[in-house]
Amino acid sequence: GDSVTQMEGPVTLSEEAFLTINCTYTATGYPSLFWYVQYPGEGLQLLLKATKADDKGSNKGFEATYRKETTSFHLEKGSVQVSDSAVYFCALTLQGAQKLVFGQGTRLTINP
Amino acid sequence: EADIYQTPRYLVIGTGKKITLECSQTMGHDKMYWYQQDPGMELHLIHYSYGVNSTEKGDLSSESTVSRIRTEHFPLTLESARPSHTSQYLCASSELGLGQGGTEAFFGQGTRLTVV
Repeated sequence: GDSVTQMEGPVTLSEEAFLTINCTYTATGYPSLFWYVQYPGEGLQLLLKATKADDKGSNKGFEATYRKETTSFHLEKGSVQVSDSAVYFCALTLQGAQKLVFGQGTRLTINP
Repeated sequence: EADIYQTPRYLVIGTGKKITLECSQTMGHDKMYWYQQDPGMELHLIHYSYGVNSTEKGDLSSESTVSRIRTEHFPLTLESARPSHTSQYLCASSELGLGQGGTEAFFGQGTRLTVV
């Protein structure tokens, strides 16, 4: 079935470090891909998305590129801040399916 | 900022009690969803609705039930709570179906339910 696999966490970095959170997917069709973020005590909110191969989503200094050949959508940020501490979820949707399929989430902690 | 609200935020209740988790949105979205988030953070779709009088079960079997009598309101009910129902429940809505490429889902802050 359709699935999303994220790198195992938790991830702990120092402020201003470079961040990569890996995400790969398995899908029967051509999915749209998303990164959602969950700050402490909050619900999820959309961070960025890409709807077709080679699209790059970006927001708040985060970027991810839809790579069809490697079925990946890795999240990157050049210089993380303490305020980026949160849980990050990679997700996909497929045409005609009424659901988001989420990865298992990666907890990110940034130390000052 | 999303206009989707869940109450209560936290609930501790005894086994066997009936509970209703409330979810309301002011965006006029037809599509609404309930996700269960387990302690390991994984999210599982338990119910969704295409619109008024429409309810469907999601991927994860759940003893909860939902109703959709008004567009803005999508409550979830447990007739008899058990410790196995302890979890975080997240409500979401979208303007279009999630199967329409790139549609964003808007999430409430969640209800953390503990059944003792």
